[in-house]
Amino acid sequence: SQTIHQWPATLVQPVGSPLSLECTVEGTSNPNLYWYRQAAGRGLQLLFYSVGIGQISSEVPQNLSASRPQDRQFILSSKKLLLSDSGFYLCAWRGLGRQSSYNEQFFGPGTRLTVL
Amino acid sequence: LAKTTQPISMDSYEGQEVNITCSHNNIATNDYITWYQQFPSQGPRFIIQGYKTKVTNEVASLFIPADRKSSTLSLPRVSLSDTAVYYCLVGDLYGGATNKLIFGTGTLLAVQP
Repeated sequence: SQTIHQWPATLVQPVGSPLSLECTVEGTSNPNLYWYRQAAGRGLQLLFYSVGIGQISSEVPQNLSASRPQDRQFILSSKKLLLSDSGFYLCAWRGLGRQSSYNEQFFGPGTRLTVL
Repeated sequence: LAKTTQPISMDSYEGQEVNITCSHNNIATNDYITWYQQFPSQGPRFIIQGYKTKVTNEVASLFIPADRKSSTLSLPRVSLSDTAVYYCLVGDLYGGATNKLIFGTGTLLAVQP
């Protein structure tokens, strides 16, 4: 079965510090991968998506970046965090073909980031 | 991607049937309607999806009128554990390789004892 992991679960960082959040998927190959952010009391905002190794599409211009060094690894980074980067970060995957015939995305447990 | 409109919040009591309606006036011919559920501090979870008429699974039913400009998620006999945010999304099932999902603010369903 497929599983998705995110770490860390929670993170408190000072303004101006770097960030690295990691997401890995098991049990599937060549998944579409997504990073979302959810601010307190708000809906999910799509940040980045990737359809393959090294292929990243950005949805919202900001000081965040994403990379996909391996097929099932997706990393969210920042060189200098802002207060507005606080939020709940979710990674999701979608398989192609029979694995996900319902256009369904599967979400990880999330990372709660607080920037002080 | 078609925009969706949902009530911000709804209240209900245990054992009642809850219907959450979503408007999507600009839905395209190739678009499907999908509903997700999100509990606090968790990622959203797929509930149900449909194209037209009625779809039912072990969790919910989805009603879609002929013009497809709206849809209604029906939760039978809700319990306290159904308290969550429910999102309505519209998008092309086969949406190319990107398959982007656009989440709105959703509907916060609060179930009271």
